[in-house]
Amino acid sequence: GAGVSQTPSNKVTEKGKYVELRCDPISGHTALYWYRQSLGQGPEFLIYFQGTGAADDSGLPNDRFFAVRPEGSVSTLKIQRTERGDSAVYLCASSYSEGAEAFFGQGTRLTVV
Amino acid sequence: AQSVSQHNHHVILSEAASLELGCNYSYGGTVNLFWYVQYPGQHLQLLLKYFSGDPLVKGIKGFEAEFIKSKFSFNLRKPSVQWSDTAEYFCAVSPSNTGKLIFGQGTTLQVKP
Repeated sequence: GAGVSQTPSNKVTEKGKYVELRCDPISGHTALYWYRQSLGQGPEFLIYFQGTGAADDSGLPNDRFFAVRPEGSVSTLKIQRTERGDSAVYLCASSYSEGAEAFFGQGTRLTVV
Repeated sequence: AQSVSQHNHHVILSEAASLELGCNYSYGGTVNLFWYVQYPGQHLQLLLKYFSGDPLVKGIKGFEAEFIKSKFSFNLRKPSVQWSDTAEYFCAVSPSNTGKLIFGQGTTLQVKP
């Protein structure tokens, strides 16, 4: 079946604008994760959902970042008042259950100019 | 705080050479351990994982890793690398049953034909 799908693949936005990044997990996967990867670094955990609820949002850097998963499937990562330091690749992953193997999407490359 | 340290940032080998990539983690509780690989232009893929049992874990493409609990290490090995192993390798730990991954900064492996 299809893997984890992330849209858009690339996003360029101006400083101060609002952006939404979308993740379609593998069908039937209950756990969904967001990570951020800056150049030359490993992915950094942001938030994960088990079903519709955020099980752990300890990685969100500040209150400009917010994520939802209203129906327990698709998730949207929302960034308000973007800053140049938000530029990174945002990765989404899903797994059948918490602790099971996570499958990653290709990521969304966000560039804030 | 939980952390993962990969000792080698950039490794260059000739084909048929042996590979060992170091990974140490800092976490007081039970963890699951992973190595992920990212081939050029592709998404992160699971190479191998350790949850419990035999500390010597075999993964895909001839890779293996050994969990040494006393050293908080999970080093990746391959006896004979191929040009197609050129990729970025990430070690990750997950506090048991959370699914949340803490990644190291990655090691870029370049294999010369």
